[in-house]
Amino acid sequence: EAGVAQSPRYKIIEKRQSVAFWCNPISGHATLYWYQQILGQGPKLLIQFQNNGVVDDSQLPKDRFSAERLKGVDSTLKIQPAKLEDSAVYLCASSSDRGAEAFFGQGTRLTVV
Amino acid sequence: KQEVTQIPAALSVPEGENLVLNCSFTDSAIYNLQWFRQDPGKGLTSLLLIQSSQREQTSGRLNASLDKSSGRSTLYIAASQPGDSATYLCAVYSNYQLIWGAGTKLIIKP
Repeated sequence: EAGVAQSPRYKIIEKRQSVAFWCNPISGHATLYWYQQILGQGPKLLIQFQNNGVVDDSQLPKDRFSAERLKGVDSTLKIQPAKLEDSAVYLCASSSDRGAEAFFGQGTRLTVV
Repeated sequence: KQEVTQIPAALSVPEGENLVLNCSFTDSAIYNLQWFRQDPGKGLTSLLLIQSSQREQTSGRLNASLDKSSGRSTLYIAASQPGDSATYLCAVYSNYQLIWGAGTKLIIKP
């Protein structure tokens, strides 16, 4: 069974530029999560999808972050414009349903300079 | 509001020792608890998931226990190896959210 795929693995951008991350969850998984992880901290939930609907985006900075999940499968997370404090690892995870075991991708390490 | 704490933040032990990592949570109304491993620069690998109705789960040298009434979970690692060096995070599924601890960084000295 293929795992959660994320791309790119690394990205360096200048502040005020835009960036997009892509995630392909495990086939058949209804729930998809995007997390932000700053070094030394636990992951912080940005947005949770159930199929192609948003169930929690309370911690998503909506003035600069946006996310979509096309046809309830792949998802993209965008930051526009980026700030220095956005430097972090962005993790995508999926589970078969809400509350089921979550599986993570390798993450995208973003550096904003 | 659910809060998850992992103590200690870092632990260094000699190879071969058995060890216990701790995770505590403030609200016993959880759906499940999951232990993860994270290697530097990598994503998270799921180790064990314990449903709220279960007391423990085992996988190889790993054993995780859950005591909802006291708000505690432990991850027991038997016969530790240098390859076990990583950060271990616990997360509770509560109120439709995964709530995370900050992790314990484990170093196994050869």
